[in-house]
Amino acid sequence: GAVVSQHPSRVICKSGTSVKIECRSLDFQATTMFWYRQFPKKSLMLMATSNEGSKATYEQGVEKDKFLINHASLTLSTLTVTSAHPEDSSFYICSAWTSGSRLQETQYFGPGTRLLVL
Amino acid sequence: EDQVTQSPEALRLQEGESSSLNCSYTVSGLRGLFWYRQDPGKGPEFLFTLYSAGEEKEKERLKATLTKKESFLHITAPKPEDSATYLCAVQASHSSASKIIFGSGTRLSIRP
Repeated sequence: GAVVSQHPSRVICKSGTSVKIECRSLDFQATTMFWYRQFPKKSLMLMATSNEGSKATYEQGVEKDKFLINHASLTLSTLTVTSAHPEDSSFYICSAWTSGSRLQETQYFGPGTRLLVL
Repeated sequence: EDQVTQSPEALRLQEGESSSLNCSYTVSGLRGLFWYRQDPGKGPEFLFTLYSAGEEKEKERLKATLTKKESFLHITAPKPEDSATYLCAVQASHSSASKIIFGSGTRLSIRP
């Protein structure tokens, strides 16, 4: 299967600071990546769709100025949580869409990033 | 509105006790149905993609089946290491940019 990495795996920051999370597709190119948020014992909540070379598409209720997404290359998307507050503490997971004959057409997920804002 | 409902919410089984997880979906034109496994504190791990009614796929003790309204994930003689949350997701033919809709998951616990 395809491999998607995330960095960092966990981060603790002070309220008011910004945090950047990287998502990389290691062995395939991904024109589309997704960012999710997950609360304890809850399912995945799609935050935004990230398209290489264009602006991200945000889901309703997600603040685009707070969660900045950049998809600068076919293997890298970043999520920056700006001016983080304790309520932004959560588990953030990225995924990358694959297509083509080698890999099944589906979303492959990264291992997630645990963010704790103090 | 496209919707995915999984049941039961939680399932506890004894090791070796086979069972099935259900995923009911309402979508205007199914492009694909996906099953994932998620362990605590980790990202979902891809298991299967099903495209049309009647299709079945197997992987070790797991078998996924698909009808026009629902999918089942059958677990045969489960082991404690099969304990995880199993997520079902669908992609509608009208959806843009590979977007998929997730169900709320079934938390499976296998007792030794």
